[in-house]
Amino acid sequence: QSVLTQPPSVSAAPGQRVTISCSGSSSNIGNIGNNYVSWYQQVPGRAPKLLIYDNNERPSGIPDRFSGSRSGTSATLGITGLQTGDEADYYCGTWDSSLSAVVFGGGTKVTVL
Amino acid sequence: EVQLVESGGGVVRPGGSLRLSCAASGFTFDDYGMSWARQAPGKGLEWVSGINWNGVITHYGDSVKGRFSISRDNAKNSLSLQMNSLRAEDTALYYCARVAASGRYCELDYWGQGTLVTVSS
Repeated sequence: QSVLTQPPSVSAAPGQRVTISCSGSSSNIGNIGNNYVSWYQQVPGRAPKLLIYDNNERPSGIPDRFSGSRSGTSATLGITGLQTGDEADYYCGTWDSSLSAVVFGGGTKVTVL
Repeated sequence: EVQLVESGGGVVRPGGSLRLSCAASGFTFDDYGMSWARQAPGKGLEWVSGINWNGVITHYGDSVKGRFSISRDNAKNSLSLQMNSLRAEDTALYYCARVAASGRYCELDYWGQGTLVTVSS
């Protein structure tokens, strides 16, 4: 059971938009002063790649089709203009002040129909 | 180019020990915190441990606390993970990752390809 809760899967047709939710608590996503959420993309057989950091910032090279937001104890990853290359597992992650550790969500598999 | 190369994985019996290493290159190693994360076969990501730039501050996930120890050698651009009292549930692909310049352990901007640890009798 992961500390952060994500839906197991989402799907949409090419060109459409999907959103992935990440639900936490007051000790992690909702922790005022330390509520930074990151998102990772993991293509099968590959290492994870940082997609979003600081809730809504993109590392260089990440297209603006990917966006992040945070509100209260939840965060959301959005992907617009869905492409077949976006098929992957997506994980949210943040610091949990009660555990003094990084916690990840269970992951969401994105399928392009 | 940032490169992180893990080594030291293998098959070990329950209760045994193993030491993983991560060789870093392409960046100023002692400017960054580092972390280990793992992924059991067919499962999600799990953060294992993190260490700050000079090795003074370390953190561990609950499942490994008291059994695993993270360390670094800045002179050799190397990160290590000493794993003791290994259990079957420690079987996973172990990744070395660099903590981003922000210093936030949840922001891991470069990852190695992983080294496989199998705990089995």
